[in-house]
Amino acid sequence: DTAVSQTPKYLVTQMGNDKSIKCEQNLGHDTMYWYKQDSKKFLKIMFSYNNKELIINETVPNRFSPKSPDKAHLNLHINSLELGDSAVYFCASSTRGSGVGETQYFGPGTRLLVL
Amino acid sequence: GNSVTQMEGPVTLSEEAFLTINCTYTATGYPSLFWYVQYPGEGLQLLLKATKADDKGSNKGFEATYRKETTSFHLEKGSVQVSDSAVYFCALRAGNMLTFGGGTRLMVKP
Repeated sequence: DTAVSQTPKYLVTQMGNDKSIKCEQNLGHDTMYWYKQDSKKFLKIMFSYNNKELIINETVPNRFSPKSPDKAHLNLHINSLELGDSAVYFCASSTRGSGVGETQYFGPGTRLLVL
Repeated sequence: GNSVTQMEGPVTLSEEAFLTINCTYTATGYPSLFWYVQYPGEGLQLLLKATKADDKGSNKGFEATYRKETTSFHLEKGSVQVSDSAVYFCALRAGNMLTFGGGTRLMVKP
């Protein structure tokens, strides 16, 4: 059973379109994240939700809107896609707790290509 | 702010060679430190971690020691295999934020 799953795995679309990426975790975690990995493999956090509440919102264009219908799901909606949005997007989850060593578990990634 | 610096790759080694990938960090407080590995076409997997100074994390023959005095968490393996070819990411966690280094690609040739 996949712990953190993302759909779709690949997404090719035209500039200006609106698209969504879905993420689900079955680990019982209460915190979920979205990361963007660029072509040079650099990973940067975009958002984090804890129990459906936004707790981290890095400097991301407001064309990106995360939505958490429940604590097992965190979807990413992107409006008016631009060429620079092409990247691999990773979802992750963890328990928030008080343990500083809490591990984040990553999904397989969604490879987005904007043409 | 927090930051992680890794040696740039690619690192190319022959099978059974000794591996070191350097990682240094800057952080306020006492972060936890992690190494993640990304195999081709896959997501990130946790390789090992250390939560306090002088802790040694180890897994699959890889190990790294949390050195507070040098703010380092270098990854080592005594004898690499072709199957170790991947991108390795050093990361630190402070609060709920995980900050990654730029990744180091390792290529192991038979």
